[in-house]
Amino acid sequence: QQPVQSPQAVILREGEDAVINCSSSKALYSVHWYRQKHGEAPVFLMILLKGGEQKGHEKISASFNEKKQQSSLYLTASQLSYSGTYFCGTGGAGGTSYGKLTFGQGTILTVHP
Amino acid sequence: SQTIHQWPATLVQPVGSPLSLECTVEGTSNPNLYWYRQAAGRGLQLLFYSVGIGQISSEVPQNLSASRPQDRQFILSSKKLLLSDSGFYLCAWSTRGNQPQHFGDGTRLSIL
Repeated sequence: QQPVQSPQAVILREGEDAVINCSSSKALYSVHWYRQKHGEAPVFLMILLKGGEQKGHEKISASFNEKKQQSSLYLTASQLSYSGTYFCGTGGAGGTSYGKLTFGQGTILTVHP
Repeated sequence: SQTIHQWPATLVQPVGSPLSLECTVEGTSNPNLYWYRQAAGRGLQLLFYSVGIGQISSEVPQNLSASRPQDRQFILSSKKLLLSDSGFYLCAWSTRGNQPQHFGDGTRLSIL
């Protein structure tokens, strides 16, 4: 079952913040976040494992709420380089899923000067 | 460091023609390998994944097949392409378990 991302698109001015959500109807073991620039391959941002973990990388962080079966990606003080499509990928238990991910439909983020 | 190579970058093929896309990984051994397809403006659909030589799992019944003849080589094939096979094909690799997936640059396939 494909996770659902919201919003579908968001437009920001440089310096503004954004939150992208990823919800699943199935139990989650892990959530991966990727960013894809137009015409390019997706690039890995971060991975979160079950346990309510929160991770951060500079001004991009993410949380994982296992009970709610959702993850959120936080982008603070956005930069022009943050523009792109953000995908979450959800994984089941590592032992049986061989690292397979089911990706959401994507959230298009546009940052204007 | 690890690198992934995918070719060709673009391909235009007539309906009914065969297809072979190749992906190779360097700098690691025994990786998990994946083939995805992305329709224009859409998400990533997992087509095949492999945990070892000759071990292929298909996620979506379709006109395509995959093979892994060597540890770090993954091939996507079709005997007869359909119009619906058009899209952006991405190969990815990861180490075991829930680890980041690293994507190749992709092949943009257009069927005429």
